Amino acid sequence: EVQMLESGGGLVQPGGSLKLSCTASGFTFSSYAINWVRQAPGKGLEWVSAISGSGDSINYADSVKGRFSISRDNSKDTFYLQMNSLRADDTALYYCAKGFQAFDMWGQGTMVTVSS
Amino acid sequence: EIVLTQSPATLSLSPGERATLSCRASQSVSSYLAWYQQKPGQAPRLLIYNASNRATGIPARFSGSGSGTDFTLTISSLEPEDFAVYYCQQRSNWPRTFGQGTKVEIK
Repeated sequence: EVQMLESGGGLVQPGGSLKLSCTASGFTFSSYAINWVRQAPGKGLEWVSAISGSGDSINYADSVKGRFSISRDNSKDTFYLQMNSLRADDTALYYCAKGFQAFDMWGQGTMVTVSS
Repeated sequence: EIVLTQSPATLSLSPGERATLSCRASQSVSSYLAWYQQKPGQAPRLLIYNASNRATGIPARFSGSGSGTDFTLTISSLEPEDFAVYYCQQRSNWPRTFGQGTKVEIK
């Protein structure tokens, strides 16, 4: 069964850092691009970042560029989102989602709250 | 950045009725458009990719059409489980972008 499981969310102060993880199972991890998508409470979906299967192509939304860093460890079927200089408007449920053509598998999300 | 504008914001319909949702792109995305369904407390689910291809396991009552800048998601006859929020998303350019969503609610 294809599954994706996020972890690492929590409460952090403005300016702080957090590292999210997404562990995948049920598919050949290194063959697929992985994305992070977030959803602020009561709001719509916002794409955050993507990394190719090999890890050599990386893209970010302008809203997180220079603050967030995506990476993957294919040996552990896990990928990461390092989030620095967090702001209140980064508060959201963060999903990892598999795919390049479209996001065909999603985790259940991990909540990040940025507040003092 | 490509802006996707969905209309209407809310669609009030009864079970059995036909739903027609629109997504308009600020510039051409060719056929690189997907549709997702999201129910409260759940992750989004892929319905349609490349404008008109149903994802695995998606019922035939869901169909997508369009190319360039204008796209439509049609639900031919609404089932009770179809009342949800629907998002379009483009993969033509970076950054990937989503529309703001259309809520299909029970009338």
